[in-house]
Amino acid sequence: ETGVTQSPTHLIKTRGQQVTLRCSSQSGHNTVSWYQQALGQGPQFIFQYYREEENGRGNFPPRFSGLQFPNYSSELNVNALELDDSALYLCASSWDSSNSGANVLTFGAGSRLTVL
Amino acid sequence: GQNIDQPTEMTATEGAIVQINCTYQTSGFNGLFWYQQHAGEAPTFLSYNVLDGLEEKGRFSSFLSRSKGYSYLLLKELQMKDSASYLCAVRDSNYQLIWGAGTKLIIKP
Repeated sequence: ETGVTQSPTHLIKTRGQQVTLRCSSQSGHNTVSWYQQALGQGPQFIFQYYREEENGRGNFPPRFSGLQFPNYSSELNVNALELDDSALYLCASSWDSSNSGANVLTFGAGSRLTVL
Repeated sequence: GQNIDQPTEMTATEGAIVQINCTYQTSGFNGLFWYQQHAGEAPTFLSYNVLDGLEEKGRFSSFLSRSKGYSYLLLKELQMKDSASYLCAVRDSNYQLIWGAGTKLIIKP
């Protein structure tokens, strides 16, 4: 079984630009969530998608948006990039959105975004 | 507000035992997770506690006390490969995961 893959692994943007990050979920998983992890910090929840609909969102502004596709892959879009958006963006998939039981997340290796 | 507290950094010796503590204040509780994250890599799942008590899994054990808002991760027979950050995360009443900043564990020979 394949794990969670993310692309690109690294990218550099300038302030005001837009970025799209991509994630392929682990086979059999139907739920994907995105996290922002600043250096030396724990992950911060951005949002979660289940069956192509957003079903949970953290404290992030609307310029952070996403999509989930029928094959359960996903995109994170960030508009009007700010310097503070520089971070590691992690995608995680799971097989169940009901949040019952452990519902373990499988993380991708992340996309490291640098905003200059 | 919601808060998860963990020590920033700990140092231990190869072969020894180390306990990493986590205290939490969240709006509701629906389980506590421990993840391991090596530098530059993805977090990987270690343990899950939803009821009070100790969960043992090989060299790793995790304890939970819901009344005290407290958990610890116990690592035995430390190996150099255990050098990593250990993240505590709590699932709140909205079923969102609230993460601590992580504890960087340094293992010395």
